Amino acid sequence: DTGVSQDPRHKITKRGQNVTFRCDPISEHNRLYWYRQTLGQGPEFLTYFQNEAQLEKSRLLSDRFSAERPKGSFSTLEIQRTEQGDSAMYLCASSWVRAGTRPWKVGYTFGSGTRLTVV
Amino acid sequence: GQQLNQSPQSMFIQEGEDVSMNCTSSSIFNTWLWYKQDPGEGPVLLIALYKAGELTSNGRLTAQFGITRKDSFLNISASIPSDVGIYFCAGPKRYYGGSQGNLIFGKGTKLSVKP
Repeated sequence: DTGVSQDPRHKITKRGQNVTFRCDPISEHNRLYWYRQTLGQGPEFLTYFQNEAQLEKSRLLSDRFSAERPKGSFSTLEIQRTEQGDSAMYLCASSWVRAGTRPWKVGYTFGSGTRLTVV
Repeated sequence: GQQLNQSPQSMFIQEGEDVSMNCTSSSIFNTWLWYKQDPGEGPVLLIALYKAGELTSNGRLTAQFGITRKDSFLNISASIPSDVGIYFCAGPKRYYGGSQGNLIFGKGTKLSVKP
């Protein structure tokens, strides 16, 4: 198990271009999350999947953003018509849930992130 | 919504010193997680706390889950240069019925070495 993998690690793009990031979660984890992190802030939630179903999207996820998780394995996050304000670190995490305990025990593992710079 | 307030925002350490930081919320959390993030990397889990009052250690790190479930602290004893980085507290968003969702993060405490 190599942990959560994200590709690419860095991406520089011109304003207006589309970009796509990939995340490969830990194989036993059924939940996958996308977060965005800007300088001096903690990660902010964008969206998450349980298996292939996208269960929640935050208000940060504008209509230029779309995420998919076909077959419940890897996930992609696409940003269309990028803007300079999209420059950030995009983090992916996967999690396990142990529902038999009270409260549910959850473990979240993060990837190394994709650093996006829009010029 | 649920928010986490971390303090201090930043601190300088000298090798060998003990460090303490904390996290508070106006909402109850059922789980508290402490992460460390190095520049250009994702957060790495240090300690997970699942029960109110729980005190857990991981080497030189000790964290406690507050009895009110609205706060947590992290202590680092005898700091070393590689402790430099940003420390985040985080807790899962709670749904009715006990299930937990995405993580909510504090803004972080940045540890730097004293000049």
